[in-house]
Amino acid sequence: QKEVEQNSGPLSVPEGAIASLNCTYSDRGSQSFFWYRQYSGKSPELIMFIYSNGDKEDGRFTAQLNKASQYVSLLIRDSQPSDSATYLCAVNAGGSEKLVFGKGTKLTVNP
Amino acid sequence: DTGVSQNPRHKITKRGQNVTFRCDPISEHNRLYWYRQTLGQGPEFLTYFQNEAQLEKSRLLSDRFSAERPKGSFSTLEIQRTEQGDSAMYLCASTRGFEQFFGPGTRLTVL
Repeated sequence: QKEVEQNSGPLSVPEGAIASLNCTYSDRGSQSFFWYRQYSGKSPELIMFIYSNGDKEDGRFTAQLNKASQYVSLLIRDSQPSDSATYLCAVNAGGSEKLVFGKGTKLTVNP
Repeated sequence: DTGVSQNPRHKITKRGQNVTFRCDPISEHNRLYWYRQTLGQGPEFLTYFQNEAQLEKSRLLSDRFSAERPKGSFSTLEIQRTEQGDSAMYLCASTRGFEQFFGPGTRLTVL
């Protein structure tokens, strides 16, 4: 069973703080890792992807990948109320094109 | 707006009826995916196409479900003899490389 696990949340942080979202995956053959943001009632929006071990930064977002530990994280710096959403971790199933998603972590940024 | 469109956006039907959804991917993307998402869960893979060829189907896709992508352009997903358990958001995604971009989804409610 190929699984993606996310910290259950919900996660609440004050405006301006760093939000840390975590994800582990079971399939060692996975090569591509994605973070999607989903507002209530909307479809998932791709915000970050990472393929190599280490950190990848894009504006206020940093994705971190550790393949040895099968761990992916997303840091959101200077969190804003508009960041309040559910964040979905997705991993490509090794040897397949499809994505396997976690259940998501709901983030609330309080003004 | 990712450039992926889905119609209809909402569909309410009675149990036992057939429904069909349409997805128009981004024109230069040759791979198209269908996912289903229920409340509190991440999207679950249903099937995907490369051009007009259906390359993978999930075990979730029972005999009542069928998908097509004639001419490798738009795709349709049909559910026959709908059941209340089919109520969900049906999401279509098209891909550039490994990055999947979702359409707005079709929300199906089966009464």
